[in-house]
Amino acid sequence: LAKTTQPISMDSYEGQEVNITCSHNNIATNDYITWYQQFPSQGPRFIIQGYKTKVTNEVASLFIPADRKSSTLSLPRVSLSDTAVYYCLVGGNYGGSQGNLIFGKGTKLSVKP
Amino acid sequence: NAGVTQTPKFRVLKTGQSMTLLCAQDMNHEYMYWYRQDPGMGLRLIHYSVGEGTTAKGEVPDGYNVSRLKKQNFLLGLESAAPSQTSVYFCAVRGVNQPQHFGDGTRLSIL
Repeated sequence: LAKTTQPISMDSYEGQEVNITCSHNNIATNDYITWYQQFPSQGPRFIIQGYKTKVTNEVASLFIPADRKSSTLSLPRVSLSDTAVYYCLVGGNYGGSQGNLIFGKGTKLSVKP
Repeated sequence: NAGVTQTPKFRVLKTGQSMTLLCAQDMNHEYMYWYRQDPGMGLRLIHYSVGEGTTAKGEVPDGYNVSRLKKQNFLLGLESAAPSQTSVYFCAVRGVNQPQHFGDGTRLSIL
């Protein structure tokens, strides 16, 4: 199983770029990497997903090195509303086993004015 | 989280009681999942289903049973609730080649 490791917490200020890295040394060939955002009393919300190299959407970028043993979520110009817990998820997609879905313990991001 | 509805939103049980949590989806997706979330533990997969009539165990299945009799519904059962099962339970669904979408959770307390 691909265990994931993330920093427990991070602090930032409004307008800064935030990079959160997730380590997943045992990632399998079929595993995708997905990042979620969670606010208190809500379910996780999908941010971005990738397999290798770089993926960008309207809210974030995801950088994945060639060995795929880590990934970095990049949030450009964060605001107070980005204060949340961010989870890295490895596995379970695109025909791979569904039983190896491993969430990290999450990174609590605090954005200050 | 439109499309994934969890029932009930809150529940308090006594040790030994049984109950069923319902996850309903209106997106016609094949895959459905049940997670539990405890403070400082992230989300842990309990059971999942890859289609109507099929279920499988996840990371922490003990003490739970599930059923997927209809494609749109995934039920999580506690036959004899224990205080260790006090948690927030999340259901997720996903279509083929798509990421998971989560419901807003069921907060369960067992006294």
